[in-house]
Amino acid sequence: KNQVEQSPQSLIILEGKNCTLQCNYTVSPFSNLRWYKQDTGRGPVSLTIMTFSENTKSNGRYTATLDADTKQSSLHITASQLSDSASYICVVRGGGGFKTIFGAGTRLFVKA
Amino acid sequence: DAGVIQSPRHEVTEMGQEVTLRCKPISGHNSLFWYRQTMMRGLELLIYFNNNVPIDDSGMPEDRFSAKMPNASFSTLKIQPSEPRDSAVYFCASSLMVGDRAFENRETQYFGPGTRLLVL
Repeated sequence: KNQVEQSPQSLIILEGKNCTLQCNYTVSPFSNLRWYKQDTGRGPVSLTIMTFSENTKSNGRYTATLDADTKQSSLHITASQLSDSASYICVVRGGGGFKTIFGAGTRLFVKA
Repeated sequence: DAGVIQSPRHEVTEMGQEVTLRCKPISGHNSLFWYRQTMMRGLELLIYFNNNVPIDDSGMPEDRFSAKMPNASFSTLKIQPSEPRDSAVYFCASSLMVGDRAFENRETQYFGPGTRLLVL
């Protein structure tokens, strides 16, 4: 079954600290993996998109990694800021018929 | 650019009524997506269009849902009749797909602010 699982469900960190969010998937065949940031009450904003051949992609303080062999991805946030408080959603495209499978998201709280 | 525009931003209706959600994609984009988000089910892709043609509607819940894209600058998502379980935030997104890999959706998608629907 094609699934995307994210961990942790929620995370609280202090401003300035780094953190890593995890995404494991069982989608096969694999096409691409995206990370989105969604602020409360707003639409998701794309952070990174990675295909099978890409291991790392950065967007400012956000760095996503992909291990297609183990079917794992991570999103690393460096020097967190209060504005990083949001939900982070992992989305995988693939499977028979090219489906879009969403993770449940990780809720990040950055405290001053 | 104004980004993806959705209307209305909020809609409250009674069960059984018809609901029409509207979306104007970013000018020049050739792909448009409709998503639904609820606390219970998270984000779900309902349908997407490429060059105004529906490519994948397998996410549309049932026959009560229909989507159209009469031209490159406008799309509607209609629910008729609406039910309380349709209550959700409905997002529209657009992207510029290049090449012939439309099924892979590799391009950046830009989301609208969403329509918050409440069916009583």
